Amino acid sequence: NAGVTQTPKFQVLKTGQSMTLQCAQDMNHNSMYWYRQDPGMGLRLIYYSASEGTTDKGEVPNGYNVSRLNKREFSLRLESAAPSQTSVYFCASSILSESNQPQHFGDGTRLSIL
Amino acid sequence: AQSVTQLGSHVSVSEGALVLLRCNYSSSVPPYLFWYVQYPNQGLQLLLKYTTGATLVKGINGFEAEFKKSETSFHLTKPSAHMSDAAEYFCAVSVGGSASKIIFGSGTRLSIRP
Repeated sequence: NAGVTQTPKFQVLKTGQSMTLQCAQDMNHNSMYWYRQDPGMGLRLIYYSASEGTTDKGEVPNGYNVSRLNKREFSLRLESAAPSQTSVYFCASSILSESNQPQHFGDGTRLSIL
Repeated sequence: AQSVTQLGSHVSVSEGALVLLRCNYSSSVPPYLFWYVQYPNQGLQLLLKYTTGATLVKGINGFEAEFKKSETSFHLTKPSAHMSDAAEYFCAVSVGGSASKIIFGSGTRLSIRP
């Protein structure tokens, strides 16, 4: 009964390094999302995938890329990390992409860029 | 454009007292509304949602919220606070077909005094 699993849970990077955050869901959901959470700002959508094979930009996509590897997995890549990308990153999924669908969240990846 | 405002970044109540967390939204079309709860070092969990129908919505852990169109509000209440309710609460609004259009409020941290 894992739900949405994110790896790693914590990571420290140096400026300019690259890294991929992994996300997998076992609920057979069609849609998946990547958010970042910063103090006092709620959650902001980075990228989303309405269904397998599609990805689209969200509110804050600059500096990130995504891959929807299959129906279960949706990864987020930082090609050249910057201190402004220090944040907590959450992956979420929903059965469908319609706006009345609740989202199910992973426990987050806490990322620090030095 | 839609938006959501949570009044009060921090609310403190005594154990057994009424919990009231305020959320106001702005939307030109009927919205879907959600409350999520986040416990320390965890992802967001759905508390309740309003999509259509009855305006008083009951959720988990004894919480409920009422959709008031005339006041553009969706306040979260619980009659009697428990220590276990200490967490951060996020209101979210979604309109227009896609869950990628969901907007989260900046959150309200709820503290419970013994």
